[in-house]
Formats: sequence, C-alpha cells, structure tokens
Amino acid sequence: KQEVTQIPAALSVPEGENLVLNCSFTDSAIYNLQWFRQDPGKGLTSLLLIQSSQREQTSGRLNASLDKSSGRSTLYIAASQPGDSATYLCAVGTGKLIFGQGTTLQVKP
Amino acid sequence: NAGVTQTPKFQVLKTGQSMTLQCAQDMNHEYMSWYRQDPGMGLRLIHYSVGAGITDQGEVPNGYNVSRSTTEDFPLRLLSAAPSQTSVYFCASQTGQGAPGSQYFGPGTRLLVL
Repeated sequence: KQEVTQIPAALSVPEGENLVLNCSFTDSAIYNLQWFRQDPGKGLTSLLLIQSSQREQTSGRLNASLDKSSGRSTLYIAASQPGDSATYLCAVGTGKLIFGQGTTLQVKP
Repeated sequence: NAGVTQTPKFQVLKTGQSMTLQCAQDMNHEYMSWYRQDPGMGLRLIHYSVGAGITDQGEVPNGYNVSRSTTEDFPLRLLSAAPSQTSVYFCASQTGQGAPGSQYFGPGTRLLVL
C-alpha cells in the first residue's frame, strides 16, 4: 500500500530564506507526483506536477524534484516571502491521489 | 470558467440526518473525485468517477453514496450522518484518470455532525 510522508509537519523561517520541503513515498511505481498549496479554510491549488518520466519542474521561485529510486521528492522555495505562508501538500498518483499530511510553513517578516 | 464549485460551504447536521453535497465542474473533465480532510490525516479518497455512469470506491467509502448522471455533476450523499463524518469535503476534477495533468479542487464543504 502506498504511503506518503511529509517532514517536517511545521516550519517557521525568516523572510528571504531559501527552504526545502520533503516528501517521501513507499512505492516507487508512481505515475505522477504533485505539489499543492492550501491556505487556511481554502481549497487546494496545484503548484507543480512531475510526471514519472521527469526529474523536476520549475515555476517561478518554486522547484520540485523527483527521485523515484529513493522514493523522494523535494519542493524548493527560493527567497521565501510572508505570502508563501500556507500548508504544502504532496500527492502521488493520477486521479486517485494519495496525499501526505502536509507541511505548514510560516514565513516571518 | 467557474472551475469546480461546491455547495453548501458549511452545514450542520444531527446524527441520523441525510444530506447531499453538491459538486459541479464546467471544464468538461471526465474524472471527478471526492476527498475528506481531517486534522492529522491528510486528504483521503472517498469515491471517484471516470465518466458519466461510472463510479468506484476509494479508500474510505463507507457511509457515502455517489452517482454520476452527467459529466458536469458528481454529488456525494450521506444517508445517515454520524459524528465520525465531521470533516471538510473536497471535490476534484481532472481531464482523465490516465492523462497527465493537474487536478482542480473545489473550495470545500465543512460538515459538522452533532
């Protein structure tokens, strides 16, 4: 059974810092890996999607990498801003997504 | 496009009552799904549909029914609400289960069962 784990559960950093969020999964036979952002009381917004044949995707200050052999993905956020404060979720699969529990990020001004 | 819409935004039920959570999408997506989000549990898949007339169970289907009569709508029914069903419910849609592409999520329905 696929399990997805995100560490740490919470993270607090000063503005401007570069940071890495981690996501690990137990079954390397994944189709896609997706990173989402969730603001308090809101739905999920897709940030980056990495297909199984890809190694990384970039969007603005965000870069996500995928290493299927080690069962790991990282989300790199460059030059963090207070507006980046949210919960970040990773999910594997397509359609039937299996989610990690999320990392709640606080960026302090 | 309105994307994925959900109604109601918030609902309070008494144990044993029934209700239907509505979900609609205007992107002509074949694939739709329902998740519930609980503190410390992440999101878990309840039911999904790969097209009109086709539904299947996800990880936590007990206590919930679904149907898919049109491409646009995918309602979730609670036949006899229980306190354990207190949660935030999200509907999502995607172009196709086997197609690469991001899923789109609705804003959620917060359900409290007393």
